[in-house]
Amino acid sequence: GDSVTQMEGPVTLSEEAFLTINCTYTATGYPSLFWYVQYPGEGLQLLLKATKADDKGSNKGFEATYRKETTSFHLEKGSVQVSDSAVYFCALNSGNTPLVFGKGTRLSVIA
Amino acid sequence: NAGVTQTPKFQVLKTGQSMTLQCAQDMNHNSMYWYRQDPGMGLRLIYYSASEGTTDKGEVPNGYNVSRLNKREFSLRLESAAPSQTSVYFCASLGTLSTGELFFGEGSRLTVL
Repeated sequence: GDSVTQMEGPVTLSEEAFLTINCTYTATGYPSLFWYVQYPGEGLQLLLKATKADDKGSNKGFEATYRKETTSFHLEKGSVQVSDSAVYFCALNSGNTPLVFGKGTRLSVIA
Repeated sequence: NAGVTQTPKFQVLKTGQSMTLQCAQDMNHNSMYWYRQDPGMGLRLIYYSASEGTTDKGEVPNGYNVSRLNKREFSLRLESAAPSQTSVYFCASLGTLSTGELFFGEGSRLTVL
């Protein structure tokens, strides 16, 4: 079945550092790919998405490119802030099936 | 602009007690979901409802029941709570099938003693 594998955390970075959180997937067909973010004490919210190969999703300085050849959707940000501290989830959707989530990666950014 | 509303936000139960988690969305979405979140396990799907009147099992349905009361409401019931059901529960609704974006509630933290 469909699955998502993302790098295990926690990830601790200093403010203004470069962030990469790796995500790879296994799916039949051509899924849509998502990154969700969960701030402390809150539910998940959509950060960005890409619906077809080579699409780049972007939001709040975060970017991820849908790479079909490597089945990857890595999340990047050039300069993280303390306010980016959260748990990040990679997810995929293969049409009529429920979203499949990775296990999440906790990011802590220190000033 | 409520979105997805869950109640209660916190609950402590004793083993064997029952309770119902309530979820309502005001976005006219067809599909609704219940997930549980545990440390190191990510989000696991318990049950979902693709449309009013239908429900389906997810990855971890044992020990739970659901009711899709109407298009707005989707409840999750624990008939006989067990310590293994201590978790944070999230309800979500699906924006559109084509985009796959889920809208989440704030979560319900359940502790079973």
